[in-house]
Amino acid sequence: EAAVTQSPRNKVAVTGGKVTLSCNQTNNHNNMYWYRQDTGHGLRLIHYSYGAGSTEKGDIPDGYKASRPSQENFSLILELATPSQTSVYFCASGDGGLNYAEQFFGPGTRLTVL
Amino acid sequence: AQKVTQTQTSISVMEKTTVTMDCVYETQDSSYFLFWYKQTASGEIVFLIRQDSYKKENATVGHYSLNFQKPKSSIGLIITATQIEDSAVYFCAMREDMGYKLTFGTGTSLLVDP
Repeated sequence: EAAVTQSPRNKVAVTGGKVTLSCNQTNNHNNMYWYRQDTGHGLRLIHYSYGAGSTEKGDIPDGYKASRPSQENFSLILELATPSQTSVYFCASGDGGLNYAEQFFGPGTRLTVL
Repeated sequence: AQKVTQTQTSISVMEKTTVTMDCVYETQDSSYFLFWYKQTASGEIVFLIRQDSYKKENATVGHYSLNFQKPKSSIGLIITATQIEDSAVYFCAMREDMGYKLTFGTGTSLLVDP
């Protein structure tokens, strides 16, 4: 069974609308991350979380909010979506410790903002 | 600030040959982790292999191995006996020891021809 799941897998939104992307992990990892992937940029970190109730800004947080209501769930919120936020969004989980330094990714959400 | 650079945009090889993908990184930390991920045509991102900066031995997992040259800040991925299913985009990434986030390169697209 997939340990990191995302919903929806595809989303079409209108400019100015609110979009919420959801992520759930069953790895029991403390840390969760939201990335976006664009051609020529690889994966860039938007927000991350150390645990329930915490959110931290990544490298490109402008225009995005995040919410971590529980160990398992981490949401990415676009309050006022813009066409420049059209991208593929990946959620990941990881433990951050020496033995579990790698992150594990969800299947991605393709977002189109018209 | 961390930086990861993959200069090879795409590589094409014949099946059953060996391929090396390059990656150089920049960091101020003396301790860090280096990773390679594979993104398949379906978009799935899969963790392949990691190298801890304090380890002198090159990591090996299956037909993946690393060429870690710390003085050159270089971490190459070597795939031996390539298979058609190795065709994918490969990302190099780094995490500093006390940090939590990954910094990714822009990826190298590998095509394995029969």
